[in-house]
Amino acid sequence: EVQLVQSGAEVKKPGESLKISCKGSGYSFTSYWIGWVRQMPGKGLEWMGIIYPGDSDTRYSPSFQGQVTISADKSISTAYLQWSSLKASDTAMYYCARCPDSGSYGDVWGKGTTVTVSS
Amino acid sequence: EIVMTQSPATLSVSPGERATLSCRASQSVSSNLAWYQQKPGQAPRLLIYGASTRATGIPARFSGSGSGTEFTLTISSLQSEDFAVYYCQQYNNWAYTFGQGTKLEIK
Repeated sequence: EVQLVQSGAEVKKPGESLKISCKGSGYSFTSYWIGWVRQMPGKGLEWMGIIYPGDSDTRYSPSFQGQVTISADKSISTAYLQWSSLKASDTAMYYCARCPDSGSYGDVWGKGTTVTVSS
Repeated sequence: EIVMTQSPATLSVSPGERATLSCRASQSVSSNLAWYQQKPGQAPRLLIYGASTRATGIPARFSGSGSGTEFTLTISSLQSEDFAVYYCQQYNNWAYTFGQGTKLEIK
């Protein structure tokens, strides 16, 4: 069974750093892009960026460029999303998704990681 | 960045009836369009890709059509489990973008 398992909920203070993870299983992790999607409370979906674990080719949406870092460790089939200095406005649910066809749509999704940033 | 606009924002339909959801792109995205369903507390679920191809396991009552800038998701006979929020997403140009969503509610 193809699965993406995301790390657990996080509660952080403004200014702290954070790295959340997304572990793929049941398929060739290096053959599909992994995308990250943000959903702020009560709001819609936003693409943040995508990474191809095979060669770590990474793209960021303009709104998220410089705000987060996407990476992957293909040896453990895991993608990451990290922040160096969190803000209250980073409070959201973050989903990872497997993206076939040269990085396109998400055909398999993780259950999401809730990130709460509050002083 | 391509802007995706969905209409209506909320659609009220009775079970067993047909629902038609629209998605418009600010410029052509060819057929590089996907539809997702999201229920409260759940991750999005892929319904349609390539504008009209149903994803694995998606019932035949879901169908997608359109190309260029105008797209439609049709649910032919609404079941209770279909009431949810639906999003379209273009993947023709990076950065990929979603529409703002259509909430399908029980009339």
